[in-house]
Amino acid sequence: EVQLLESGGGLVQPGGSLRLSCAASGFTFSSYAMSWVRQAPGKGLEWVSAISGSGGSTYYADSVKGRFTISRDNSKNTLYLQMNSLRAEDTAVYYCAKTVIVVVITADHWYFDLWGRGTLVTVSS
Amino acid sequence: QSVLTQPPSVSGAPGQRVTISCTGSSSNIGAGYDVHWYQQLPGTAPKLLIYGNSNRPSGVPDRFSGSKSGTSASLAITGLQAEDEADYYCQSYDSSLSGSNVVFGGGTKLTVL
Repeated sequence: EVQLLESGGGLVQPGGSLRLSCAASGFTFSSYAMSWVRQAPGKGLEWVSAISGSGGSTYYADSVKGRFTISRDNSKNTLYLQMNSLRAEDTAVYYCAKTVIVVVITADHWYFDLWGRGTLVTVSS
Repeated sequence: QSVLTQPPSVSGAPGQRVTISCTGSSSNIGAGYDVHWYQQLPGTAPKLLIYGNSNRPSGVPDRFSGSKSGTSASLAITGLQAEDEADYYCQSYDSSLSGSNVVFGGGTKLTVL
């Protein structure tokens, strides 16, 4: 079965750290870019970070640049998000998402064709 | 404030047709970047509904259709059903932002009356 399963969420104090994991199955993990997308309680979706299939290229939203690090272990079919210096505004459900990137001359087209169930991160004292 | 603008809510009776708009600018939709749509049923993860402006993934009913023109895009749902009640998000790519290149609309809550 094709699926993504996140883990690692929980309650952390402001300034603390947390590492999220996403286990992939049912597809050739190393062939696809992967992303993290978050959703604050009652709010919309916000793209957080992405990584290429090989892991050689990484991308971050301005809101997390310098604090979060995305990585992957293709031998374990697992995606990670290391979150440091956490703030209250980082409180959200974090989804991992299989990312399709279509590269054409005029533009790159990104979209997310498979999502995990999400893991809740709460930053509070 | 989202880069892509959607109406906060729309509603329709069973069997009716509704549309959800997604308005961008010359740095995203107007620059030629594709628009994609996601459906998020209550308490669940988002699901890809439309990709590449108008393409449906396998398993998505043909009651759902997408279109794009200029700096805007639209999602149309015909033959509205109770199970369509959900939040809908548009998504594209933006070339003007330094890091947050992937952008979402703020979401539209569809209520089936």
